[in-house]
Amino acid sequence: GAVVSQHPSRVICKSGTSVKIECRSLDFQATTMFWYRQFPKQSLMLMATSNEGSKATYEQGVEKDKFLINHASLTLSTLTVTSAHPEDSSFYICSARLPGQGSTGELFFGEGSRLTVL
Amino acid sequence: AQSVTQLDSQVPVFEEAPVELRCNYSSSVSVYLFWYVQYPNQGLQLLLKYLSGSTLVKGINGFEAEFNKSQTSFHLRKPSVHISDTAEYFCAVSRLSGNTPLVFGKGTRLSVIA
Repeated sequence: GAVVSQHPSRVICKSGTSVKIECRSLDFQATTMFWYRQFPKQSLMLMATSNEGSKATYEQGVEKDKFLINHASLTLSTLTVTSAHPEDSSFYICSARLPGQGSTGELFFGEGSRLTVL
Repeated sequence: AQSVTQLDSQVPVFEEAPVELRCNYSSSVSVYLFWYVQYPNQGLQLLLKYLSGSTLVKGINGFEAEFNKSQTSFHLRKPSVHISDTAEYFCAVSRLSGNTPLVFGKGTRLSVIA
């Protein structure tokens, strides 16, 4: 199957700083990537849909200015948590489908990035 | 809008016993249905999916699921579990058209006991 990779897998930062998480499709081009957030013992909540070359589409309740998403190339999307606070601590996961795949296609997931804000 | 309910947050089961993980969904439109598994420290992997046709779907690692439209359910089953099946299992739905995201349930933690 296709490979989606995230970096870093774990990051600890101080409150008020910004953190960037990278999501790469290693062996395919992804015009669209999806960013999810997972709280302990809870579901994956969709944060935003990242579209290559255009602005991301954010889900209701997700702060656009806090969670900056950039999809500058067909293999890389980044999520930047700006001015992070302890409540932003979470597990962030990205995913993508192979080109030309509609909703019948498998979503391939990154390994996730665990953010801890002190 | 779509929503997914996984009725059991944790399911302990003895090795070689059968298991069923329950999933119900709600949607005003037709959807596709998926089961994903998340092993510790790994990304989510697709177990199986229902798109159309036969309501009994077979997936990897001996898992299968049955789509029941009248009950809006998509329960996951395995006749005999192994220790290696210990993981978090997520049921998900997606709309029929476009490159759309999945909507997930809260997950069920399957713990297989030796």
